Amino acid sequence: AQTVTQSQPEMSVQEAETVTLSCTYDTSENNYYLFWYKQPPSRQMILVIRQEAYKQQNATENRFSVNFQKAAKSFSLKISDSQLGDTAMYFCAFMGTQGGSEKLVFGKGTKLTVNP
Amino acid sequence: GAGVSQTPSNKVTEKGKYVELRCDPISGHTALYWYRQSLGQGPEFLIYFQGTGAADDSGLPNDRFFAVRPEGSVSTLKIQRTERGDSAVYLCASRETSGSFHEQFFGPGTRLTVL
Repeated sequence: AQTVTQSQPEMSVQEAETVTLSCTYDTSENNYYLFWYKQPPSRQMILVIRQEAYKQQNATENRFSVNFQKAAKSFSLKISDSQLGDTAMYFCAFMGTQGGSEKLVFGKGTKLTVNP
Repeated sequence: GAGVSQTPSNKVTEKGKYVELRCDPISGHTALYWYRQSLGQGPEFLIYFQGTGAADDSGLPNDRFFAVRPEGSVSTLKIQRTERGDSAVYLCASRETSGSFHEQFFGPGTRLTVL
């Protein structure tokens, strides 16, 4: 079974600074997807960024980028120019391509606080 | 367009009671998922529907939990003889299934509290 580990329960960063959230995972599959989701107090899960395992190039979405290390099974999220609106829970998630359901396996999350 | 909606937003019930939680997916999305998020945890998969059928129910914790999607659109998660340990946020997500990868879109969840 796949597992996702987020070792940082809480992180804080000053507005406009850069922060990196860590995530490691375990799987025997070769083809899969990795995601970072943001969950503000409203509870709505919002997709921040995704990475296909077969792509070597790290994904970027505006101020968000990832460092995907497939051999190390590591998938960290870097947030540049942090904004107050980035304050939220961040979840790393894995989705395998075997089995057909494409269900997501989530880590326990990192609570990020951006301070003014 | 409209996103995934879930009702009620909050539900308080007493131990032993029966509850139903409703999910309205995005129109045209044939795949629907239920997840449970306990306090301080990430969401955990419960069940996956492809159309009207439950294609993967491996995440349902026991036979008190059941879900239906009779017309391939709205889904209802049903919990019998609720226990305090069932208290959690229940999240629903839907996605398209045609073509290649498709994002799961989540609803705002139903917070269930069992007293």
